[in-house]
Amino acid sequence: ETGVTQSPTHLIKTRGQQVTLRCSSQSGHNTVSWYQQALGQGPQFIFQYYREEENGRGNFPPRFSGLQFPNYSSELNVNALELDDSALYLCASSPGTRSAGELFFGEGSRLTVL
Amino acid sequence: GENVEQHPSTLSVQEGDSAVIKCTYSDSASNYFPWYKQELGKGPQLIIDIRSNVGEKKDQRIAVTLNKTAKHFSLHITETQPEDSAVYFCAVSFTGGGNKLTFGTGTQLKVEL
Repeated sequence: ETGVTQSPTHLIKTRGQQVTLRCSSQSGHNTVSWYQQALGQGPQFIFQYYREEENGRGNFPPRFSGLQFPNYSSELNVNALELDDSALYLCASSPGTRSAGELFFGEGSRLTVL
Repeated sequence: GENVEQHPSTLSVQEGDSAVIKCTYSDSASNYFPWYKQELGKGPQLIIDIRSNVGEKKDQRIAVTLNKTAKHFSLHITETQPEDSAVYFCAVSFTGGGNKLTFGTGTQLKVEL
């Protein structure tokens, strides 16, 4: 059973550019959540996808968008990058959304915006 | 929205001692309280969780206590070992919240030999 995998692990962008981060969920999991973790802070919820539909969104602007594919993998897209977008982006999968339970996190994609 | 405060931000203990990390939350609807451990360069990993229908849960050297009236919960690690050194996060959620977690700001635990 493979865990949650994310790519790329590190990337550097400049202000105004766009970035796409990818996530493969753990086998058997149909729900993917994305979190932003700034240095020295706890993860902050961006949004969640369940069966290819957005199912909850945190306090992030519309330039943060996502997709979930039929195989339950997911993408996070960020447009018009700002310096404050520099962070570790974590993807987490879980087997459903009905009740709160364990999230299985990947190792994250470290984004640096210059 | 939900607000979670976590203390202390750093904690240094001697190997074999106990460590306690405390969190408070604001939303009385919260009913799920997990604790995650994050090692350097890795994603957070669940170490223990508790739901609001119980006041305490224990798993070997790790325990969590919950006081719903006061809206606070704590992580207790006994007989600490060097491999316990990591950042620990509390989090809260609620049934119907779509498994969205609100995390605390983290505690850097260092276990010294």
